[in-house]
Amino acid sequence: EVQLVQSGAEVKKPGESLKISCKGSGYSFTSYWIGWVRQMPGKGLEWMGIIYPGDSDTRYSPSFQGQVTISADKSISTAYLQWSSLKASDTAMYYCVRQGPVLGDAFDIWGQGTMVTVSS
Amino acid sequence: SYVLTQPPSVSVAPGQTARITCGGNNIGSKSVHWYQQKPGQAPVLVVYDDSDRPSGIPERFSGSNSGNTATLTISRVEAGDEADYYCQVWDSSSDHPHWVFGGGTKLTVL
Repeated sequence: EVQLVQSGAEVKKPGESLKISCKGSGYSFTSYWIGWVRQMPGKGLEWMGIIYPGDSDTRYSPSFQGQVTISADKSISTAYLQWSSLKASDTAMYYCVRQGPVLGDAFDIWGQGTMVTVSS
Repeated sequence: SYVLTQPPSVSVAPGQTARITCGGNNIGSKSVHWYQQKPGQAPVLVVYDDSDRPSGIPERFSGSNSGNTATLTISRVEAGDEADYYCQVWDSSSDHPHWVFGGGTKLTVL
């Protein structure tokens, strides 16, 4: 079964750092893009960025460039989303997604989501 | 920046047909994908490349795309179709190509 399994919910304080993960299984991890999507409470979907684990080619949404870092470790089929200094406005559900090898392919597999809560 | 416009809500009686639109400048020249998100769940792809269905998605779900409007059509609507629906395109026209989502449409089954 093709699936993406994300790390568990996090509760952090403003200014703290965080790295969440997304492990792919059931397919060739290096042959598909992995992306991240934010959903703030009660709001819509926002694309953050994508990485191609095969060569680590990474693209960011202009809205998130410089705010987060996307990385991947192909040896363990895992992608990451990290923050160096969290803000309360980072409170949201974060989904990782699998995208086909062509930019423009749909997100055919979604992780279960990681809820990040940032509060003092 | 490319903008996708969806109606905030659509209501339909069971057994009827629901049409959810997604407006964008010359969207007919782009490939549109549609996602369904039920409360408390991750989104699911229901239509890709304007009108194709992933395996496991009922034939009741179909899509079309022309001019400035893409449409997701759900025939013979069931109570279980009640969800938020999002359209999506890849905007390759800018200096920084990126994904764009519509604001979402809440489908209510009366």
